[in-house]
Amino acid sequence: KAGVTQTPRYLIKTRGQQVTLSCSPISGHRSVSWYQQTPGQGLQFLFEYFSETQRNKGNFPGRFSGRQFSNSRSEMNVSTLELGDSALYLCASSELQGGKDEQFFGPGTRLTVL
Amino acid sequence: GENVEQHPSTLSVQEGDSAVIKCTYSDSASNYFPWYKQELGKRPQLIIDIRSNVGEKKDQRIAVTLNKTAKHFSLHITETQPEDSAVYFCAANDYKLSFGAGTTVTVRA
Repeated sequence: KAGVTQTPRYLIKTRGQQVTLSCSPISGHRSVSWYQQTPGQGLQFLFEYFSETQRNKGNFPGRFSGRQFSNSRSEMNVSTLELGDSALYLCASSELQGGKDEQFFGPGTRLTVL
Repeated sequence: GENVEQHPSTLSVQEGDSAVIKCTYSDSASNYFPWYKQELGKRPQLIIDIRSNVGEKKDQRIAVTLNKTAKHFSLHITETQPEDSAVYFCAANDYKLSFGAGTTVTVRA
C-alpha cells in the first residue's frame, strides 16, 4: 500500500495570509489526524476527522480548521497566519478513530511564516 | 484531558549499553500506549505499542512495560546501536493520542 502523502512539503507565507495543507491517507483508512510539531513541544494534536466528520479537536484557536472528503483525503486551513504558526504540520491516518491503533504519519509540511 | 510527561529529555549512551525512557499519564481510562521513533528529517514511525491488558511486551531489542496502578510506562532498548539515535515519543490515548515531549537519544560509538 502507498503511504500517507502530504502536499506541499514546504511553504513560505507572510503574516496575515492563509494556507491550505493537504493529506492523502493510506487506502482504506478513514481516520486522519493533524498535529503541529515544534522544537521542544513534541506533537500537539490539532484535530481528527473520521468519515468526513470532525471527531475531536485540540486546544488551538479557531484560525485552524479542516475538512475531510468522501475519499478520506483531508485538508487543513490556517487563516490570518502568525509568526508562531511556523512549524512542521504532520497528518496521520489510521483505521480506527480516537487514537486506538497505530497511526501512520505523512512526511509533513514545513510551514514558515515571515 | 490526558497529560503525558516524558523523561529524560535527552539521553546519551555508549554503544552496547541500555537506554530507558519513562513516561507517566494522567487519565486512568487510557488503554493504548504506543512509542514512536523519529529520525532526523523523517516522519515518526511506530516501534512498539502496548495495551492496558498487558504488562510487558518485547520485540527483539526493544521492550515496553506498563504499570496501570502507577500510571507509568517505560521503553527499554538493549544493546544500543548507532542507528538507535533518534527522538523517541511516548503517547497515551483517551479520545485522541497525547504525546510526550520527546527524548533525544544519542548512541556514542
